Amino acid sequence: GENVEQHPSTLSVQEGDSAVIKCTYSDSASNYFPWYKQELGKRPQLIIDIRSNVGEKKDQRIAVTLNKTAKHFSLHITETQPEDSAVYFCAAELQGAQKLVFGQGTRLTINP
Amino acid sequence: EAQVTQNPRYLITVTGKKLTVTCSQNMNHEYMSWYRQDPGLGLRQIYYSMNVEVTDKGDVPEGYKVSRKEKRNFPLILESPSPNQTSLYFCASSLSRGPYGYTFGSGTRLTVV
Repeated sequence: GENVEQHPSTLSVQEGDSAVIKCTYSDSASNYFPWYKQELGKRPQLIIDIRSNVGEKKDQRIAVTLNKTAKHFSLHITETQPEDSAVYFCAAELQGAQKLVFGQGTRLTINP
Repeated sequence: EAQVTQNPRYLITVTGKKLTVTCSQNMNHEYMSWYRQDPGLGLRQIYYSMNVEVTDKGDVPEGYKVSRKEKRNFPLILESPSPNQTSLYFCASSLSRGPYGYTFGSGTRLTVV
């Protein structure tokens, strides 16, 4: 089955700098890759997703890139702000499996 | 308001005492799923359902049961809870017949002593 590894587990950046979180997946047939943000004590919320026929997708300050050959995808947050502090989860769906496998999570802290 | 409602939010119970965590969505979503969240392990899928009366196992189904008798409800049943089921549980739903663009419930923190 699918396995998703996420790095780093914790990340601390200065406000205004960029943050990058990386995930690798094991099954080359995976075709859907969402990112979820979970603020302290709250539910996960979808922030961006990408499908395997696209190499990059942007939404304001966040972007996701996908490298199918290397089987990894990354979340990029630019001009970070204090409200970006949260735990971020990547995930991958094996095509046809109807199941989403999550990474272990990255705790991002933005320092003022 | 479109939402996924879980109850209860917090539950402390004893080993072996059957319990049910309810999940209800008002968005006419096809797909519903249960996850447990444990530190360092992320979110792991317990069970999912693509439609009424259609359920299937996720990655960690042992010790859990589900049912989908109505489209809006997807309860999680622990017939004989054990301490290793102490966790934070999330229900999620999706409009499509797959895990795309989840809406999560607010979570249920379960402690089994």
